[in-house]
Amino acid sequence: AQRVTQPEKLLSVFKGAPVELKCNYSYSGSPELFWYVQYSRQRLQLLLRHISRESIKGFTADLNKGETSFHLKKPFAQEEDSAMYYCALISGSARQLTFGSGTQLTVLP
Amino acid sequence: EAGVAQSPRYKIIEKRQSVAFWCNPISGHATLYWYQQILGQGPKLLIQFQNNGVVDDSQLPKDRFSAERLKGVDSTLKIQPAKLEDSAVYLCASSPIWDSNQPQHFGDGTRLSIL
Repeated sequence: AQRVTQPEKLLSVFKGAPVELKCNYSYSGSPELFWYVQYSRQRLQLLLRHISRESIKGFTADLNKGETSFHLKKPFAQEEDSAMYYCALISGSARQLTFGSGTQLTVLP
Repeated sequence: EAGVAQSPRYKIIEKRQSVAFWCNPISGHATLYWYQQILGQGPKLLIQFQNNGVVDDSQLPKDRFSAERLKGVDSTLKIQPAKLEDSAVYLCASSPIWDSNQPQHFGDGTRLSIL
């Protein structure tokens, strides 16, 4: 069965510092991975997906099949990046999303 | 475009009572999802509809949970009877078609507390 693991429930960094949110997955097929974000008092929304190989709000994530990881990175964190981040995996014929338990990122001034 | 609408925002009931949640997806979105998010966990898919048909309900506790999307538009999720462990946020999401290239759009959720 597929599984997504986010080992850090809480992560705090100072403004301007680099940030990395860890995500590891287990899946027997070819994975499709996503990062979703939920800002305070806002809805859960898609941040980025690995197939797009895009940078959104300065964030990037590279799929590493050897390490089964999809870590989210940003070189210089901003206070507005403070939010809950969820890593998610598409799987199955119904292409369902399986979410990790989330990491609460706090960027300190 | 208007987002996914859910109601009510909050609901408090006693165990063994019944409760229903409503979701109106984004206009034209064929796929609708219900998720359960327990405190400290990520959302877990309960049921997925494509138009008015069920695509997957393997994680829906069918002895107490039911969901319908009769006209292929809005949907209701019901719990009868509720248990303490059902306390959670219930999220509805929709997407244009059954395709991972189309992101899911989430509603604000209904926060359910069971006393």
